[in-house]
Amino acid sequence: SAVISQKPSRDICQRGTSLTIQCQVDSQVTMMFWYRQQPGQSLTLIATANQGSEATYESGFVIDKFPISRPNLTFSTLTVSNMSPEDSSIYLCSAGRGSDTGELFFGEGSRLTVL
Amino acid sequence: AQRVTQPEKLLSVFKGAPVELKCNYSYSGSPELFWYVQYSRQRLQLLLRHISRESIKGFTADLNKGETSFHLKKPFAQEEDSAMYYCALVTGGGNKLTFGTGTQLKVEL
Repeated sequence: SAVISQKPSRDICQRGTSLTIQCQVDSQVTMMFWYRQQPGQSLTLIATANQGSEATYESGFVIDKFPISRPNLTFSTLTVSNMSPEDSSIYLCSAGRGSDTGELFFGEGSRLTVL
Repeated sequence: AQRVTQPEKLLSVFKGAPVELKCNYSYSGSPELFWYVQYSRQRLQLLLRHISRESIKGFTADLNKGETSFHLKKPFAQEEDSAMYYCALVTGGGNKLTFGTGTQLKVEL
């Protein structure tokens, strides 16, 4: 298994500001992903964080709004830029070993509230 | 289009009653499906995967390609089964998953 730590666990932000969420995995993993879970809705994949290269974004998500870094195999960051109230959500970091198809480990999530 | 549908937002059953959480999928390739669970105040975790045909905590799920379904079942619900359950489909290399909207299972005494 893999243990994922995210911080901050929650934050209240002002409209127009940006916030960076950090994700640390306790062991090397092949794949890391960022999901968003809006109130009452399911998990939506934002992007795949690629080690040493640009993230791969899903339809509807762009790098300017959600820049992602992954400098090594155990760490990634997601920035939510120029926030608006619509960005209020739980952001989840997840990781997988690639060899074990479909098994993802999740962080506890970062709950952002944008005023 | 790749899609996972869980038609019930909330399912309430009495302890000892059978449970069936519905999941239907839409996928052009050979599907790989999973059930994830999130207990209160805990993180999301894998419950079971169709390929292993296992029973975890008394839950089973059978892939029915004809009906494009992967329903989660348990013959006798327990109070500790109360949780949010998500059906998920592999939609990209390795671990990339598409999740359903989830079903909140509430087991009442």
